[in-house]
Amino acid sequence: QKEVEQDPGPLSVPEGAIVSLNCTYSNSAFQYFMWYRQYSRKGPELLMYTYSSGNKEDGRFTAQVDKSSKYISLFIRDSQPSDSATYLCAGQAGTALIFGKGTTLSVSS
Amino acid sequence: EAQVTQNPRYLITVTGKKLTVTCSQNMNHEYMSWYRQDPGLGLRQIYYSMNVEVTDKGDVPEGYKVSRKEKRNFPLILESPSPNQTSLYFCASTHVGTGGNYGYTFGSGTRLTVV
Repeated sequence: QKEVEQDPGPLSVPEGAIVSLNCTYSNSAFQYFMWYRQYSRKGPELLMYTYSSGNKEDGRFTAQVDKSSKYISLFIRDSQPSDSATYLCAGQAGTALIFGKGTTLSVSS
Repeated sequence: EAQVTQNPRYLITVTGKKLTVTCSQNMNHEYMSWYRQDPGLGLRQIYYSMNVEVTDKGDVPEGYKVSRKEKRNFPLILESPSPNQTSLYFCASTHVGTGGNYGYTFGSGTRLTVV
């Protein structure tokens, strides 16, 4: 069983929609949880990270971790066409970063 | 600008012809790592290095070599490339401290095709 599971999608939404991206994980040693965004033909870039459980908000993005259910979420409000990308969740234990396979999001105008 | 630089961006080679993909970072990061990304399999770690002269295997090290002679450079070597090594490769680096978040900085990727 892979340590981080993520539905690959694709997910297609209209501009302005609220998007929910989700992952589950199995490694109890994860302390940090991250979301990376990857545009086509580019390297992943760190979008947000959270430590342990709870929420973190940054503009239109909210990252949420529920350690009791081992669930990671990223919410995007008022989605824009520029949000179209692949979103990768990751769990970190020490320096090791374990990625989900990524969810491809398409936001149409 | 803080960045991880990979070269080349695109490479087509033939089976068995040794090649090196270079990776350099200008952030004085201790930790560097190589990943390959394949459709349906996601990012998988090949090798990583905690610091100069310290390297270790990741999840898929077979067919690859690395070296870390300088802090800024972490080349990936394919001694005898095979078609199953056709993939998109990423180098990443991060600071190693006593706790705290270690968000990786990724390079732009090297698309390798082995024919």
